[in-house]
Amino acid sequence: GAVVSQHPSRVICKSGTSVKIECRSLDFQATTMFWYRQFPKQSLMLMATSNEGSKATYEQGVEKDKFLINHASLTLSTLTVTSAHPEDSSFYICSARVGAIYGYTFGSGTRLTVV
Amino acid sequence: AQTVTQSQPEMSVQEAETVTLSCTYDTSESDYYLFWYKQPPSRQMILVIRQEAYKQQNATENRFSVNFQKAAKSFSLKISDSQLGDAAMYFCAYRGSNYQLIWGAGTKLIIKP
Repeated sequence: GAVVSQHPSRVICKSGTSVKIECRSLDFQATTMFWYRQFPKQSLMLMATSNEGSKATYEQGVEKDKFLINHASLTLSTLTVTSAHPEDSSFYICSARVGAIYGYTFGSGTRLTVV
Repeated sequence: AQTVTQSQPEMSVQEAETVTLSCTYDTSESDYYLFWYKQPPSRQMILVIRQEAYKQQNATENRFSVNFQKAAKSFSLKISDSQLGDAAMYFCAYRGSNYQLIWGAGTKLIIKP
């Protein structure tokens, strides 16, 4: 149980375009979703925390106008990278909190390449 | 602010042997959770083991166990009978009162056949 499905797994987009990444909780209600960015051979960097029905809270240094997060339902959260540039190329991971103490479940990640 | 430190960028172990990965953390909170996650080449994050700070007993999950030293703020992971499938990046993580995970830099574990 507690599966988060993340799509797409890989996406290549042209510089200046926007790309949307979706994370769906399949068998539970994800009230809180975390969005991470991971550079090669590095740890996870928290970008933002979203709670269903409210605005996302962005970490310092993360451009909220570039990385739009929507969490309109308990089963779907999306990250839209707007006006993408090559420096936005990275691995993006979503994660949902499962229960009060159990832990977290992670999407399988999206490798974004901006050309 | 809480911090998590993994001082071993890379560790290697012979198959079937035991290896211990180190993790230390800093916090002023008394109630928190600690996790070890595994990230294989597929990059899917997989929960290995978790520890509630209020529990004195060290958590175990089959071949995986932790040595949780609350006073020393240490949370090491021991992998017994290492298998080729254990090769991965291992991340130590701290969860405090705000439910956000604070991550260590990771340790790359290499299993030698």
